[in-house]
Parts: sequence; structure tokens; C-alpha cells
Amino acid sequence: DGGITQSPKYLFRKEGQNVTLSCEQNLNHDAMYWYRQDPGQGLRLIYYSQIVNDFQKGDIAEGYSVSREKKESFPLTVTSAQKNPTAFYLCASSREGFSGAFFGQGTRLTVV
Amino acid sequence: EDKVVQSPLSLVVHEGDTVTLNCSYEVTNFRSLLWYKQEKKAPTFLFMLTSSGIEKKSGRLSSILDKKELFSILNITATQTGDSAVYLCAQYGSGNTGKLIFGQGTTLQVKP
Repeated sequence: DGGITQSPKYLFRKEGQNVTLSCEQNLNHDAMYWYRQDPGQGLRLIYYSQIVNDFQKGDIAEGYSVSREKKESFPLTVTSAQKNPTAFYLCASSREGFSGAFFGQGTRLTVV
Repeated sequence: EDKVVQSPLSLVVHEGDTVTLNCSYEVTNFRSLLWYKQEKKAPTFLFMLTSSGIEKKSGRLSSILDKKELFSILNITATQTGDSAVYLCAQYGSGNTGKLIFGQGTTLQVKP
């Protein structure tokens, strides 16, 4: 079945460690997005990519990095520079022409 | 700066009530406005609106856009407990970059 797969669902890390969240889609979508959601909040845009090998910062990119080496994959690295990394992270994708973005099931990251 | 603001932030109603959720936006290059429902993890797509005054309808849910006044509403009639969720409004715009940004969300609780 076509869709977006995020892994892992739950992730625990010690403070000061970098961690990479996976996002893979088999929908042949051009655009991919990463969002962060804190309790009781909406989605805040971290990074997005419209095509392979190109990406743009969103509203809260500090402390995060991404790559887009393949159309299907858009991994997000949460670096030690991110001051408050504990959150729910959602990946989304959309096709050219945009008819709505589709989301993965999310990764809940807890930094202790 | 592009911005999406939703109101109210939370709402408690009883089954059978009708609710109206509001979304206002500011954008430099409007393309479309979207509504999503988020129950547990991944937001699910409800509507995409691009033209003013044309109502989109799906069962008990409907939505309309006013591009002159820069807002949209989502109506839910005859609410059910299964409608309890966070409703997210998003704006797709900002020229060729395809930036998709979300509001804070409205948390709806429908009591039996």
C-alpha cells in the first residue's frame, strides 16, 4: 500500500546526543515536510523540500538538519543544539500541483 | 510573514450541537487553505479550499472560504462523540516554495 512511513514510533535519547528520525514515502510525491507538535499546540514547520537535493528552512529550523538525497526519503536529524527537543514529530508529503499533504504516523521523541 | 490563526482554541459541546470553527490567515501569495482532523497521531485531510464562496461538504462537515476577508470556517452539524479531535487549519502559499503552515488548532470535545 502507498503511504508515508515514519520510524521509530517512540525514541528515547540522552541529552546532548544527536538523533535521526526516518521518513519514507512511496507515493511518488515531490514535496516533503517536517513538523514539530508540542502538547496542545498546532504544527510548526521545521524544514521542507520541493525536489531532490533541495530544501528550505521552516519557522523553527534551528537545531535541526535534513537531507533529500532520494525522492522517497527525507530524514530529520535533531542535533544537540536543539534546546528543547522533546516533542512529537510529523512528516508529510504532497505531489506537484498540491492537492493536500498526507502525513505519517509520527515519532514521539523524548530526551532525558 | 505568513500566519494562520484559529479560534476558539478549545470548545466543549454536547452531542447534537452544531459547531463553527474559525480560521483567519495572512499570506503573501495565497494558493489554498486546508482543514485537517487530528485524533491521535496523523492528521487526516478534510477539505482544500481555493475559491471564495464555494462550500465544500462531506457528510455533516462543511467548509467555506472568504478570500476577501481572509478567513475560513468549518461547520460540523449534529456533532457526535467521534467528532472529538483537534481540527487544524493550514495555508499553502508563499510563491514557488510551496510552504505549508498550520494554525494552533482547535480542540473539540463532544460530550454524550
